[in-house]
This record gives sequence, C-alpha cells and structure tokens, in this order.
Amino acid sequence: DTEVTQTPKHLVMGMTNKKSLKCEQHMGHRAMYWYKQKAKKPPELMFVYSYEKLSINESVPSRFSPECPNSSLLNLHLHALQPEDSALYLCASSPSDFGSSYEQYFGPGTRLTVT
Amino acid sequence: ELKVEQNPLFLSMQEGKNYTIYCNYSTTSDRLYWYRQDPGKSLESLFVLLSNGAVKQEGRLMASLDTKARLSTLHITAAVHDLSATYFCAVVDDLNTGTASKLTFGTGTRLQVTL
Repeated sequence: DTEVTQTPKHLVMGMTNKKSLKCEQHMGHRAMYWYKQKAKKPPELMFVYSYEKLSINESVPSRFSPECPNSSLLNLHLHALQPEDSALYLCASSPSDFGSSYEQYFGPGTRLTVT
Repeated sequence: ELKVEQNPLFLSMQEGKNYTIYCNYSTTSDRLYWYRQDPGKSLESLFVLLSNGAVKQEGRLMASLDTKARLSTLHITAAVHDLSATYFCAVVDDLNTGTASKLTFGTGTRLQVTL
C-alpha cells in the first residue's frame, strides 16, 4: 500500500458543530503532517507528528485539535470553526521527520466548508 | 525564517516551446522538492533533489538544484497541454532546534499551455 487516504472527501459544517478529519497510511512512515491550503495559495503547515508525538504546532488556533492514535492514523478534530477556516486540508506522511528520507506523500485532501 | 519564492507566478505557454520556472530560497538547505497540483486536487511529487548539482528528468520536465545560489529551476521542453497545472517547489527547513524538519512551499507557478 503506497498511498495516504483521507476521509471524508468533502465536509460542510456549521460553526457550532464538532467534526473530525481522518488520515491513514500503511507505508510504515514515522512522520505525519496536517496542512491547510486556501485557493490559489501554497499549503501551510499546521502540525507535525513524529513517532506519534506532536513535534511541531505552527501556532494553530485551539479550535483545531490533532490526534495521532497510532503510527498509521492521524485525526484532526474540529470545533467551533469560523467561515475563514474553509479550505482544503491535506494530510501527508514521510518515512522520517528529517534527513534524506523526508519526501512527503500527500493524501487527496478534505474540502472543508464552514457555514 | 525560510522564505521560498517562485517566478513567474503565472506562465502562459505556447505548445511546443520551452520555458523555465525559478525557485529561490533564503537560507541554507540541501533538499528541495517539486510538486504538481491540478485544480481541486492534491499534490503529486515530481522530483526530489537532495544535493548541490542534482539534476532529475522525467519526460518533458527537468529539475536542477544549485544550493550555493539557493536556486532550483524547473525546465519545460516542448510544452504540451497536459502540463497545465500549478507547480510548487518546497524546501526543507531543518530548523536546527532538535524538532522535526519543516517543508516550506514556494508561492506556486500556474502554468497554462495554449495551442
């Protein structure tokens, strides 16, 4: 299995809802990432998990809460989001969190719309 | 803070002609990646450049890295319509803080190939 999967593909949620995004990889990668991408902009790093521990949080608002239950799974819990949080959320994984084994493989993304 | 700039931001290409995209970055790094993104889709890895002088070619695309000049180029030979997409370079920022490395994306170059 050489891919990163994300569910759901699309999500519409109200500002008072709680929802979760899920990301899975079975490549044995030890680092996983969440990115946010707005239209016509590059992806922006949100969180990095390395060996199931949170290693980078790019000052993301607390309404986004990441979780890494095991080495293959990464979740992003969403609560009380704002309309400006509408974006494409990309998950990625890499064999390692540094060095030459750092190539990141991206999932298909979840298109999130906050109403 | 690592800054990554691409130019041009938009490139209208005629089929059959050659073009070059430039990626400049602001701090020392010896690892650079090129990704392709089709509208509404995720990122597809094109090239991994891991050392000064690295050159990789795939079909009509060729990427190179000059770490001394902090510059990577993506050269397109005899453009065809299938190459229309947005191309991102991304540079590894090792941070030197004992945490995971970070991938910083360039601004992106939107390529449009016309007949």
